[in-house]
Amino acid sequence: AQRVTQPEKLLSVFKGAPVELKCNYSYSGSPELFWYVQYSRQRLQLLLRHISRESIKGFTADLNKGETSFHLKKPFAQEEDSAMYYCALLQSAGGTSYGKLTFGQGTILTVHP
Amino acid sequence: KAGVTQTPRYLIKTRGQQVTLSCSPISGHRSVSWYQQTPGQGLQFLFEYFSETQRNKGNFPGRFSGRQFSNSRSEMNVSTLELGDSALYLCASSLGPWSEGDYGYTFGSGTRLTVV
Repeated sequence: AQRVTQPEKLLSVFKGAPVELKCNYSYSGSPELFWYVQYSRQRLQLLLRHISRESIKGFTADLNKGETSFHLKKPFAQEEDSAMYYCALLQSAGGTSYGKLTFGQGTILTVHP
Repeated sequence: KAGVTQTPRYLIKTRGQQVTLSCSPISGHRSVSWYQQTPGQGLQFLFEYFSETQRNKGNFPGRFSGRQFSNSRSEMNVSTLELGDSALYLCASSLGPWSEGDYGYTFGSGTRLTVV
């Protein structure tokens, strides 16, 4: 069964410090991985997907199949980055799939001034 | 461009009642997924509909059901409500079956259901 683990429920850093939110997954197929963010009183938004390899708001994430990890990183955290972050895994088969996202439990990131 | 719209925003029901939640996807999106979010269990997949057919289902009891209409709008129904059904129910829409290059899923603000 697929599983996503975010080991840190809470993460606090100071503004300007590097931040890394950890995500590990368990899945026998080819993983499609995402990071979603939920700012206070806002809806869940897509932050990153691994296939795009793009940087959004300074965040990057690299898929490491050997370590089955998809950690989210930002070199210099900003106060506006404070939010709940979810790592999610999508089942895929043969390049197409109907959506079943498996979410981690989430990490609350707090960036102090 | 309107986002994913969920109605109502808040609901209070008593145990044993049933409830229907509604989701209108982004225009042009044909796939609608439902998730339950609780503090204890986090975000859990309920089911997904595409072209009025349920394509995928999570591990929830049969009291949870849904449907999709020809205009892609979807409804979710929970019968015989239990206290443990209190949660935020989220709907997400996408263009269609996921494939590489797809932008992904856009979530609505959710319906907060409280069962008393």
